[in-house]
Amino acid sequence: GQQLNQSPQSMFIQEGEDVSMNCTSSSIFNTWLWYKQDPGEGPVLLIALYKAGELTSNGRLTAQFGITRKDSFLNISASIPSDVGIYFCAGNNAGGTSYGKLTFGQGTILTVHP
Amino acid sequence: DADVTQTPRNRITKTGKRIMLECSQTKGHDRMYWYRQDPGLGLRLIYYSFDVKDINKGEISDGYSVSRQAQAKFSLSLESAIPNQTALYFCALGQTSTDTQYFGPGTRLTVL
Repeated sequence: GQQLNQSPQSMFIQEGEDVSMNCTSSSIFNTWLWYKQDPGEGPVLLIALYKAGELTSNGRLTAQFGITRKDSFLNISASIPSDVGIYFCAGNNAGGTSYGKLTFGQGTILTVHP
Repeated sequence: DADVTQTPRNRITKTGKRIMLECSQTKGHDRMYWYRQDPGLGLRLIYYSFDVKDINKGEISDGYSVSRQAQAKFSLSLESAIPNQTALYFCALGQTSTDTQYFGPGTRLTVL
């Protein structure tokens, strides 16, 4: 089946630093999504990408849909303590047996030191 | 009021017991999903339903069953709970027109 490789698995950074994480797949995806999960909560959608090459921002967050359609990255600029959490990428190839289903990466655990 | 409600939020049970986790929504979305989350493994799909009469197995459906009682309600059952079903369980909603999914707050299940 489809697999997503998300890296890095964890990051420890200082407040104010920029962060970058990415996801790669062996399959072509038609949709890339980025979620954030706070402790004890469900994942919350940050950014949705629907087109190869698309670059979308949401405040200090920027995500891009890779031109090959097999990867995506998420950048966080000028990190703050509330950025702490687990970030997940998710994708859908919207075809065949995967219609309407998402595949998730393993998550990146972000720790921000004040 | 929350768009997606999961009950209970926490449950401790014993091996062999039957457990039901419930999910209800007020968004009117047609698609509903059940996932489990284990540390380091991300979210894995257990079952999903595209409408009331449609139920499909996900990648890890063994040991679980579901019921879509109405468009707004989707329940997950563990017929005979075992310790390796200890995990966080999330319900999610989706729509036909988009791949985005919205998650509930989760249920933390511990099987002793």
